[in-house]
Amino acid sequence: GAGVSQTPSNKVTEKGKYVELRCDPISGHTALYWYRQSLGQGPEFLIYFQGTGAADDSGLPNDRFFAVRPEGSVSTLKIQRTERGDSAVYLCASSLGPNTGELFFGEGSRLTVL
Amino acid sequence: AQSVTQLGSHVSVSEGALVLLRCNYSSSVPPYLFWYVQYPNQGLQLLLKYTTGATLVKGINGFEAEFKKSETSFHLTKPSAHMSDAAEYFCAVSDDRDDKIIFGKGTRLHILP
Repeated sequence: GAGVSQTPSNKVTEKGKYVELRCDPISGHTALYWYRQSLGQGPEFLIYFQGTGAADDSGLPNDRFFAVRPEGSVSTLKIQRTERGDSAVYLCASSLGPNTGELFFGEGSRLTVL
Repeated sequence: AQSVTQLGSHVSVSEGALVLLRCNYSSSVPPYLFWYVQYPNQGLQLLLKYTTGATLVKGINGFEAEFKKSETSFHLTKPSAHMSDAAEYFCAVSDDRDDKIIFGKGTRLHILP
């Protein structure tokens, strides 16, 4: 597709369950970012990939959160033992490279943990 | 650490009036500054950016912003508001040492008929 695609658009799960959120970036974009947005807040940085490697994962809140990008394209954000506080919209963005400043965002995956 | 502060979580202006959304940044090195907009039920999109050079930058839909180093500000303006400008606006900061972009909490712009 032409834009950044995120699936699922909505995910409802129970506390303690495992969740995977997928991001398909724009073709040719080498940089991929994950952000989390809670109600009334701006996007909170989680992790940034340049190619296949995580260039900066300083925003991951704890070791329950993990992300991969094995072939330098699609990325998966994985959340283990979900907690109610993990409920948020998870945003993925891609760009042509680092520091171009123009991130292209998907519409997000809304995660609700009951 | 970099950060941005957006004054006013909600701003209301009348259609045709001046739009002014305030953003102040904190950065120990020359910043890169951005405004992103999120229309209802859409993803965030870049409105404009400042990296180097001219301090007054123009973006899409008639918006512009001016980088003022002395005031550590990057306020967003538009001379005449349109109903279609109703959206949430995010100021963001980065620099050439760090590839991640840090966002403010956002300002929701309401346009009154």
